[in-house]
Amino acid sequence: GAGVSQSPSNKVTEKGKDVELRCDPISGHTALYWYRQSLGQGLEFLIYFQGNSAPDKSGLPSDRFSAERTGGSVSTLTIQRTQQEDSAVYLCASSRLAGVGYDEQFFGPGTRLTVL
Amino acid sequence: GDSVTQMEGPVTLSEEAFLTINCTYTATGYPSLFWYVQYPGEGLQLLLKATKADDKGSNKGFEATYRKETTSFHLEKGSVQVSDSAVYFCALSRPGNTGKLIFGQGTTLQVKP
Repeated sequence: GAGVSQSPSNKVTEKGKDVELRCDPISGHTALYWYRQSLGQGLEFLIYFQGNSAPDKSGLPSDRFSAERTGGSVSTLTIQRTQQEDSAVYLCASSRLAGVGYDEQFFGPGTRLTVL
Repeated sequence: GDSVTQMEGPVTLSEEAFLTINCTYTATGYPSLFWYVQYPGEGLQLLLKATKADDKGSNKGFEATYRKETTSFHLEKGSVQVSDSAVYFCALSRPGNTGKLIFGQGTTLQVKP
């Protein structure tokens, strides 16, 4: 079956512009996660969705970052007024079960964001 | 807070050599432990996991044992292949939490023929 997909695969933007990153999780997966992979910080958690609600936003680095999920499916991560330090690979993952801690997460291929 | 520490890479081995990648963790309670692998040009995928103390996870010839007493989850393989070249990430997730993964910094493995 289809895995987690993300778009765009690459995004180059200018400092100060807004960007939207999209994630299509595996159908029927309740939990959705966003992570960021950068050279300096490694792999870090950003936000968790259970259905359409986000009970854990603790990893969002600033109020320039926001995310939503609609229909218990597609999620969009928005970064406003991008900065060079936002350059990273943004990964989306989904799992069938929500909030149990032991379920496998399936990762998308990521969106590579470059802020000039 | 919760954290995972992995041995620094890169690790370079000859084909058929024995592999160990060390991983230790700090967490309250009894987390689930994972090894994820990222092959060149591919996304992260689960390699193996263990959800309670003394459990052994295994897959594709790799194995790791959940050691509560040493807070460790070292990855081992008896005979590596060139195709095992990848970046390996140790991770934990606390039960009853959101399921979010806390990752180690990753270890790059290069296997030479």
